[in-house]
Amino acid sequence: DIQMTQSPSSLSASLGDRVTITCRASQSISTSLNWYQQKPGKAPKFLIYSASSLQSGVPSRFSGSGSGTDFTLTISSLQAEDFATYYCQQSYNSPWTFGQGTKVEIK
Amino acid sequence: QVQLQESGPGLVKPSEILSLTCNVSGDSIRSYYWSWIRQPPGKGLQWIGSIHYSGSTNYNPSLQSRLTLFLDTSKSQISLKLNSVTAADTAMYYCARDIHRLSTSWFDPWGQGVLVTVSS
Repeated sequence: DIQMTQSPSSLSASLGDRVTITCRASQSISTSLNWYQQKPGKAPKFLIYSASSLQSGVPSRFSGSGSGTDFTLTISSLQAEDFATYYCQQSYNSPWTFGQGTKVEIK
Repeated sequence: QVQLQESGPGLVKPSEILSLTCNVSGDSIRSYYWSWIRQPPGKGLQWIGSIHYSGSTNYNPSLQSRLTLFLDTSKSQISLKLNSVTAADTAMYYCARDIHRLSTSWFDPWGQGVLVTVSS
């Protein structure tokens, strides 16, 4: 199985901050990398596919980049509704696997 | 707009069978793959398996020996059966539409989930 490792596991940030989350794959996955947002008590919400393509309706302050083994999710200006846990997921090889999550908290 | 709703017993005894159903509305069940994903309390996400209306299935090898997915197009339902459950199977279980495009795929949207506890 391809292992996905996110860093940091959690971070504290203020409204308006630029936030970057990193996801590393245990082998090259090209750009087969997705990002999801999960708020407490809710199902995950799909944000980004193919490493950098924004799902329709997702605010443009979210962006993704990377290829091969290293990927990033960036929130350019953190808003109140962005406090949540973020997961990366590889769609290169089955079984599809997720990172352990990064919790974004209010400073 | 597609909506998914999971249902099933909230409590299952160890060694018994866990059975869940996902009702799909707002889209044809024939058009996509459909996946189950679970999340133990306070932990991360694990993909369980997927099914296509053609009958094609893809299971996580870690669960394959205990898992069966099936699909009822007449009821627009996807179902999961997991045999010989243990406490390690306690989790929120989600169904999700599994979208495939060219050489990639993703899960969107997800149902609200159903919490299953394995305990005697």
